[in-house]
Amino acid sequence: DVKVTQSSRYLVKRTGEKVFLECVQDMDHENMFWYRQDPGLGLRLIYFSYDVKMKEKGDIPEGYSVSREKKERFSLILESASTNQTSMYLCASSFDGGRETQYFGPGTRLLVL
Amino acid sequence: QKEVEQDPGPLSVPEGAIVSLNCTYSNSAFQYFMWYRQYSRKGPELLMYTYSSGNKEDGRFTAQVDKSSKYISLFIRDSQPSDSATYLCAVNSGNTPLVFGKGTRLSVIA
Repeated sequence: DVKVTQSSRYLVKRTGEKVFLECVQDMDHENMFWYRQDPGLGLRLIYFSYDVKMKEKGDIPEGYSVSREKKERFSLILESASTNQTSMYLCASSFDGGRETQYFGPGTRLLVL
Repeated sequence: QKEVEQDPGPLSVPEGAIVSLNCTYSNSAFQYFMWYRQYSRKGPELLMYTYSSGNKEDGRFTAQVDKSSKYISLFIRDSQPSDSATYLCAVNSGNTPLVFGKGTRLSVIA
C-alpha cells in the first residue's frame, strides 16, 4: 500500500514563526502536492512538484514556499506564519502528473495564534 | 464560473437509502473523473476512478459520467452509517493537477 506520512498531526505556532511541514511518501512517486483545506472553501492547491528540485505554484502560493531535495520528501514552509494560515494541510503524491490517482497523507492541523 | 461545482450539503439519509451525489464542471477538456471519500480528521482516499463517459460500478458504489452535460454522479446503494463522510469529486484533463469540488458532507442515520 502507498503510504504518505506527514510529520505532525497537530501543530500550534505563533504569528511570525517560521513553520516547516514535512511530507514523505514511500512509493517512488514523481509528483507531490500540498493543499490546504478550509470549511466552505474545499481543497486548494498551494504548490506541487513533478520532480526533485522542481516546483510549480498552485492556486494560492502566497505566503508559502516549498523544498524538494529528495524524491520522497516534499516540505512546505511558512516563512512568517499568520493567523489566516490556520488550516488543515494535506500532502499528496501520485505516479503521474494528474491522470493517475493522488494518495493523501493524514493531514496536519495547524493553528497559528 | 468555478471549474467544478458541488453541492456542499449536508445530506442526511436513513440507513439503506440510495444516495446520489453530483458535480458539474465547465471545461470540456476534462476526461478523467474521480470520487474521493474523506472521513472526519483524515485525508481523502480514492473511491472511484472513471475515464471519459459511462458508468463504473464497484460494490454498492456506481460512478456515472455524462460528458455531454458535463455532469458526474456517485450513487451509493444500501447506504450504511459507515458511509458517513465528505465526498469530493475531482476532474482532470490528463497533464495538470486535479481540480476538486468543495465536497458534500453525507450522514447516514441508523
